[in-house]
Amino acid sequence: AQSVTQLGSHVSVSEGALVLLRCNYSSSVPPYLFWYVQYPNQGLQLLLKYTTGATLVKGINGFEAEFKKSETSFHLTKPSAHMSDAAEYFCAVSDQVGGAQKLVFGQGTRLTINP
Amino acid sequence: GAGVSQSPRYKVAKRGQDVALRCDPISGHVSLFWYQQALGQGPEFLTYFQNEAQLDKSGLPSDRFFAERPEGSVSTLKIQRTQQEDSAVYLCASKLSALGTGELFFGEGSRLTVL
Repeated sequence: AQSVTQLGSHVSVSEGALVLLRCNYSSSVPPYLFWYVQYPNQGLQLLLKYTTGATLVKGINGFEAEFKKSETSFHLTKPSAHMSDAAEYFCAVSDQVGGAQKLVFGQGTRLTINP
Repeated sequence: GAGVSQSPRYKVAKRGQDVALRCDPISGHVSLFWYQQALGQGPEFLTYFQNEAQLDKSGLPSDRFFAERPEGSVSTLKIQRTQQEDSAVYLCASKLSALGTGELFFGEGSRLTVL
């Protein structure tokens, strides 16, 4: 069975500082990995995804993530935090059984940006 | 519509009542998923439809939960004899195709509170 662990349920950074949200996964097959963002009272929005190919993936809003198979990690980074980045972030791994792309999510990391 | 629409956005039910939650996916989307998101947790898979066929219902927590998508578009998640542990946000998501890693579009969710 696949699983995702997000280290740190809350992360707080200053505006302009580096954002690093950690995600480790467990999968018995080559994984497809995703980061989603959720703003209050809204649905989840895809930030970026890794399927195959280049291990450094760039997403929307200046975020990027690097797939490291040896470390079973897919950490999310952004060089300079903006106030608008404050939200809940979810890492997810795809269960490709039947091709349905059923997602298994981590518990989420709440990102707070300090002015 | 432009996105995935869910109704009602908020529902308060007394324990033992039946509830029905509706999802209007993006027009033409083949795949439809339901997820349950408890407070402070990541979403958890409930069930998956490909057109009108329910191909995976392994995440439904009990036989009180029932989902349908009779014409391959709108879907309804029904919960019978609601219990307090059913309190959560229920998210619907749709995807254009049945296979591959196309983007999953989420609705804003239906927040169910069982008293």
